[in-house]
This record gives sequence, structure tokens and C-alpha cells, in this order.
Amino acid sequence: DIQLTQSPSFLSASVGDRVTITCRASQDISTYLAWYQQKPGKAPNLLIFAASTLQSGVPSRFSGSGSGTEFTLTISSLRPEDFATYYCQHLNSYPITFGQGTRLEIK
Amino acid sequence: EVQLVESGGGLVQPGRSLRLSCTTSGFTFDDYAMHWVRQAPGKGLEWVSGISWNSDNIGYADSVKGRFTISRDNARNSLFLHMSTLRPEDTAFYYCAKDAHGDYSHFEYWGQGALVTVSS
Repeated sequence: DIQLTQSPSFLSASVGDRVTITCRASQDISTYLAWYQQKPGKAPNLLIFAASTLQSGVPSRFSGSGSGTEFTLTISSLRPEDFATYYCQHLNSYPITFGQGTRLEIK
Repeated sequence: EVQLVESGGGLVQPGRSLRLSCTTSGFTFDDYAMHWVRQAPGKGLEWVSGISWNSDNIGYADSVKGRFTISRDNARNSLFLHMSTLRPEDTAFYYCAKDAHGDYSHFEYWGQGALVTVSS
């Protein structure tokens, strides 16, 4: 099974900061990677698919990059509504797996 | 508007069975794969199972393989998860998710979740 490791697991940042979250896959997954945002008590929300394609309706301050085994999610200028938990997900094959999550909190 | 509504959750004793349903609307159900994802309280997301548009391609997480069965009824626009031999570690919110394609891809829409509690 493909394992995904996110770093950091916890991130403290301020409004206006640029932040980057990394997701590493245990084997080559090409660009079969998605990113989700989840707020407390809510279902996850798709941000990015195919490693770098922005989902419709998602603000352009979110961007994704990478291929193979290393991927990043970048938020260019944090807004208050961006403080949440972020998960990467591989879609290369069954079983699908998620990273352990990165909790982004206000400094 | 795409809507996914889970039902069938509740309190169940270890070793017993439970069936979750996901009723959908707002899209052509039989064009898309569907999935179940769970989240134990305070923990991360865990993909449980997925089923292609025509039920030909089905996958399970190792943690549920042999105990859970996913199915769909395209005539009723509904997805199901039959869970048997339940364990306390199966306690979680169970989300139904719509795939972006007919076979597995990214998850475009999610339901609000159904809580399953496995406890004596």
C-alpha cells in the first residue's frame, strides 16, 4: 500500500503569511494526488486535484505542485478562514490513502 | 445542487452488524464512482471503500477487508455500506463521497457524515 507522509503535522502562522505543506508518497504516484481542507465539525472540501489543478470555486491563493513522490500545497497569503486541517490523498490505485493531516493554527 | 445524505448510523455492540445508506440527488448517479471515508473522533481521514459506476471495480482498506461490503443501487441513486463483525475501533463518522469520474479519482462532494459508535 502507498503511504503518504505530511509535514509538518502542526503549523502556526499569521494572517498574511505564505505557508507550504509537503506530502511525500512511499512510491511514485505521478500526479495522482489531491488536497482537501477540513474545518471542525465539517466534511472535507476539495481544493486541488491532479497535484496542481485548482477545484472550481477555490481561491487562487491556494496552489499545488509536484509529481512522483513529493508534493506541496501552498497558501500564498493566509486569510482567517484558512485556519483548518489539510490532508493530501493519493488516487494512484486501491487502496486509496490520506496523509495524516496538517493542522494550521493562528499564531 | 448535489446532495449526499448518510443514514443508518447509531450505537451498536461489538461483533454486531450495521448498514449505512447514502441517498443522493442533483447528479446522474450511475455515471460516477462513490466512496466511504471515515474519521474517528479527533483523528484523521481514513478511506474505507470505493465502488465504480457499474460496480465492476471495488476496493477496500485493509482494516475493513472481509468485514465490510460496499454496494450501490443505481435505480435508487443510493450507496450502501454493510458493516459486520464491528469492533470498537470502527467507531467513527462515516462520510459518503462522490467521485469526479466513473472509476476512482478525486472526491468532489461529501455528505455531512453519520456517526457509528461500537460499544457494549
